[in-house]
Amino acid sequence: NAGVMQNPRHLVRRRGQEARLRCSPVKGHSHVYWYRQLPEEGLKFMVYLQKENIIDESGMPKERFSAEFPKEGPSILRIQQVVRGDSAAYFCASSPVQDREDAFFGQGTRLTVV
Amino acid sequence: GENVEQHPSTLSVQEGDSAVIKCTYSDSASNYFPWYKQELGKGPQLIIDIRSNVGEKKDQRIAVTLNKTAKHFSLHITETQPEDSAVYFCAARFSGGYQKVTFGTGTKLQVIP
Repeated sequence: NAGVMQNPRHLVRRRGQEARLRCSPVKGHSHVYWYRQLPEEGLKFMVYLQKENIIDESGMPKERFSAEFPKEGPSILRIQQVVRGDSAAYFCASSPVQDREDAFFGQGTRLTVV
Repeated sequence: GENVEQHPSTLSVQEGDSAVIKCTYSDSASNYFPWYKQELGKGPQLIIDIRSNVGEKKDQRIAVTLNKTAKHFSLHITETQPEDSAVYFCAARFSGGYQKVTFGTGTKLQVIP
């Protein structure tokens, strides 16, 4: 999983600010998944993207959250007007094709809202 | 949607003993069950997986079993070592495919030297 790069590793934001989390998938992978992990809990699916397309965003809150995976560059998870409840670890995973089991996870971005 | 329950939430074993973690799932259409190990400050790492057409799979000290009828699956670690200490997550893949897996709540395993 060393190939999936997430940055920053730690991010502190004040309530009301915006948080931008970046994920560079393994080279050649065109499928990206974002998960959120609240303290002491398992990972919850948020969104699945392919290059320039959102395929499934059923796990993402309808407001303040958005995700993109442009043709060039990393995938971005954007949280506007952050609140304390957004504090969590956000993980990105990538896979080369849709139905492969060996998706690789990044090391996560730990967001703290103060 | 899928719901995965995992037990126990914490598990302490003496080095060399076996550890067993159990999970149940709700969606009978789920057909892929991975297990992840998460060390402190790191992302989940796939350690073993099993498909619904297989009842058991083994990889060195790690084995998984699946009872599709009862919707149970388990992780077995034999001859535990201190480096096995981590949080382990079971997961089930939604029948719609791709990597939208549903995770269990995790088991914190501590191996006591």
